[in-house]
Formats: sequence, structure tokens, C-alpha cells
Amino acid sequence: AQSVAQPEDQVNVAEGNPLTVKCTYSVSGNPYLFWYVQYPNRGLQFLLKYITGDNLVKGSYGFEAEFNKSQTSFHLKKPSALVSDSALYFCAVRDFTTSGTYKYIFGTGTRLKVLA
Amino acid sequence: DSGVTQTPKHLITATGQRVTLRCSPRSGDLSVYWYQQSLDQGLQFLIQYYNGEERAKGNILERFSAQQFPDLHSELNLSSLELGDSALYFCASSARDRGTETQYFGPGTRLLVL
Repeated sequence: AQSVAQPEDQVNVAEGNPLTVKCTYSVSGNPYLFWYVQYPNRGLQFLLKYITGDNLVKGSYGFEAEFNKSQTSFHLKKPSALVSDSALYFCAVRDFTTSGTYKYIFGTGTRLKVLA
Repeated sequence: DSGVTQTPKHLITATGQRVTLRCSPRSGDLSVYWYQQSLDQGLQFLIQYYNGEERAKGNILERFSAQQFPDLHSELNLSSLELGDSALYFCASSARDRGTETQYFGPGTRLLVL
């Protein structure tokens, strides 16, 4: 079965500094990977996804993620953090069910705190 | 605003009771997913429907059931509620049932079981 791991419960970064939120995956076959963000008392919002092609994926709000097959990683990055980026970030992978359909496996989430 | 609506926003009930959570997908989306988010278990996939039919099942308890109606809205029924069922329940929708589809999440229903 596919799985994702977010090794850091929390990441602190100063405003204006680059940020990285880590995600590693375990798949059999080609991975389909996603990043979502959750602001307080809100649902998850889609940021970006990797299906195939360019290893650097650009998404919403200036975020990007780098797919690294050899390291089985899909880290989320942003060149310059904003205080408003403070939120909970989830990495997800598509998994196949026994019936041949799809479901999504989410990581445990990483809380990003951007300090002014 | 994702275009996915969920009602109610908050629900407080007692152990042993039964509740129904409702989700309306984005216009045109045929696929609906239900998730449970709790502090100790993170975000767990429960079940998926596509155009009225069940497509995939995750960690859904037997006390829970769902359905998708002809107008594509979906309901999640939780019965014999326990304290541990207290969580945020999210619905998401996508246009089709393919795994590359982006899911759009609703704002969630916060359930508190006392």
C-alpha cells in the first residue's frame, strides 16, 4: 500500500526566509502526489499536484514542490515566507483500493509557523 | 470558497444518538469523498461515491454509512455515537473518479459527542 510521511510536526521560519515542508512517500508504481493547506476552522485547500513530467511543480500562493524519485520525496517550498502562510500542510498520495478504484492517503500534517 | 457546501457547521449530540451530515458538491462534480479529521488520527478517508454509486471504502466504521442521491448531494450517517466519534468531518468533490482529479474540500462539520 502507498503511504506518505511528514517527519516534522511543526516548522518555524522567519518571515521573508525560504521555507521547506518535508514529505516522503512509499509507492509501488508511479506516484501521484498532492499538497493541501488547511487554515484554522477551514477545509483543506488544494495547492499543487505531481502526476508526471517536470520535477518542479508550481502551485497556488507562490508555493512549489520538488519531486525527487531517488529520494522518494516531494517537499513543499516557497522562496519567501509570509506570516499569512502559517497553517497546517498536508501531503497526500493516491492509493489503489482492492476494487481497483482510487483513494487518497494523507500525511499527519505539518504545522507551519511564520514569525514576523 | 471551494464551492462545496456542508451542513450543519456544528453539531453537539449525546452518546448513542444518530446524526446525518450533508454535503453538496461543486456544480458538475460527480464524485464525493468523506473524511474524518481527529486530533489523534489525523485525516482519514472514509468513503467515496461517484454518480450515486459507492466507489471506494476507507476506514469507515460499520456504525457509519453514506449515500449519494440523484441530485449528487451526499449524506453521511453516524449512528450509536461514541465519545471518540467527536471530530471534524469533511466532504470533498471532484469532477470524475480518477485519481489524478483534484479534490475540493468543504468547510467541514464539527461534531461533538458528549
